[in-house]
Amino acid sequence: EVQLVESGGGLVKPGGSLRLSCAASGFTFSLYSMNWVRQAPGKGLEWVSSISSSSTYIYYADSVKGRFTISRDNAKNSLYLQMNSLRAEDTAVYYCARSWEVVDYFDSWGQGTLVTVSS
Amino acid sequence: EIVLTQSPGTLSLSPGERATLSCRASQSISSSYLAWYQQKPGQAPRLLIYGASSRATGIPDRFSGSGSGTDFTLTISRLEPEDFAVYYCQQYGRSPPFMYTFGQGTKLEI
Repeated sequence: EVQLVESGGGLVKPGGSLRLSCAASGFTFSLYSMNWVRQAPGKGLEWVSSISSSSTYIYYADSVKGRFTISRDNAKNSLYLQMNSLRAEDTAVYYCARSWEVVDYFDSWGQGTLVTVSS
Repeated sequence: EIVLTQSPGTLSLSPGERATLSCRASQSISSSYLAWYQQKPGQAPRLLIYGASSRATGIPDRFSGSGSGTDFTLTISRLEPEDFAVYYCQQYGRSPPFMYTFGQGTKLEI
């Protein structure tokens, strides 16, 4: 069974940093592209970033470009999102999601981790 | 950037009825790179449809997708109580700029 478990969320002050992790199991992690999608409280879904299976291709939404960094460790079956210069508008539940190609539909999702940016 | 507009914003129906949800793109989506997701309160989204009309694994056949170009539809033939949720369409562009966009969602309520 495919499992994606996010961690690392919490309360952080504006301008601060946070690192999210996503632990994958139940599939060959190194074959799949991975993605981060966020959802602000009561709002819709917003794509954040994507990384190809071997980290060759990386893409970001304009809203996070230059502040967030996506990475992965295939040996540890883990996906990461380093978030710097956080703003109030980054407050959201952050989901990791799996896709076959680096630009593709998301066939499995984690349960999400909440990031709150507030003073 | 491709903008997806979903309608209606809220759809009020009863179990057993047919639901038709619309997703319109601001420009043509090549090769039908359009997906639909279902999200229930407090849960992660779940993939329903990809490639505009292909059902994901384990999705009941009462869910169907159709459309091409700029107009896409998700149809639920006979609503079950568990189908009341929020539905999102998503486009995944395979030409620059490589990015995803989601529609704003349609809430399907009893």
